[in-house]
Amino acid sequence: GESVGLHLPTLSVQEGDNSIINCAYSNSASDYFIWYKQESGKGPQFIIDIRSNMDKRQGQRVTVLLNKTVKHLSLQIAATQPGDSAVYFCAENIGGSYIPTFGRGTSLIVHP
Amino acid sequence: DVKVTQSSRYLVKRTGEKVFLECVQDMDHENMFWYRQDPGLGLRLIYFSYDVKMKEKGDIPEGYSVSREKKERFSLILESASTNQTSMYLCASSLGFITGGETQYFGPGTRLLVL
Repeated sequence: GESVGLHLPTLSVQEGDNSIINCAYSNSASDYFIWYKQESGKGPQFIIDIRSNMDKRQGQRVTVLLNKTVKHLSLQIAATQPGDSAVYFCAENIGGSYIPTFGRGTSLIVHP
Repeated sequence: DVKVTQSSRYLVKRTGEKVFLECVQDMDHENMFWYRQDPGLGLRLIYFSYDVKMKEKGDIPEGYSVSREKKERFSLILESASTNQTSMYLCASSLGFITGGETQYFGPGTRLLVL
């Protein structure tokens, strides 16, 4: 089946910079997208979600952008902090399904 | 806040042993899931459940079984543990069949080592 992919497996940034993590999806029927953060040795933690009727959604220091034309999802983290160091996963849900497809993850490394 | 707990953070078992992994959620969620996570392979779905006593196979059910006798509890059973079942096991739950009910919330994971 189709799967969610990531452009960059590892992203290194300096503390205070803005980070952008990208995700490509291939299923045009997907209508719900989620970003998770997974710290070392822990389970994935929900960060933010977005539905296909939106192109942008903001949370605290995070913004998710959805470009349905090119099937692209991104997570922007403002003023990145060392505590943001983790693996970030995107996931997509096709309408009517409760089984998401997960991307492999991008490792974000924040240097103090 | 949703809380999903798993019975053990770390577990060491021997080949051939029967292994029980327990998961409990406290938000009255309908759906519960078991995944394993391996380096380079991402999250793979083992089994899931939409209701009490109901179970469905995921992508990699071989060597595993599950039990859901109560809504809040979903157990993963390795009938006869093998070394290739060494992995991180993650439980998740989601609310159910309503808009916004698809979001999965994960437990802290159980790192299982089979010797």
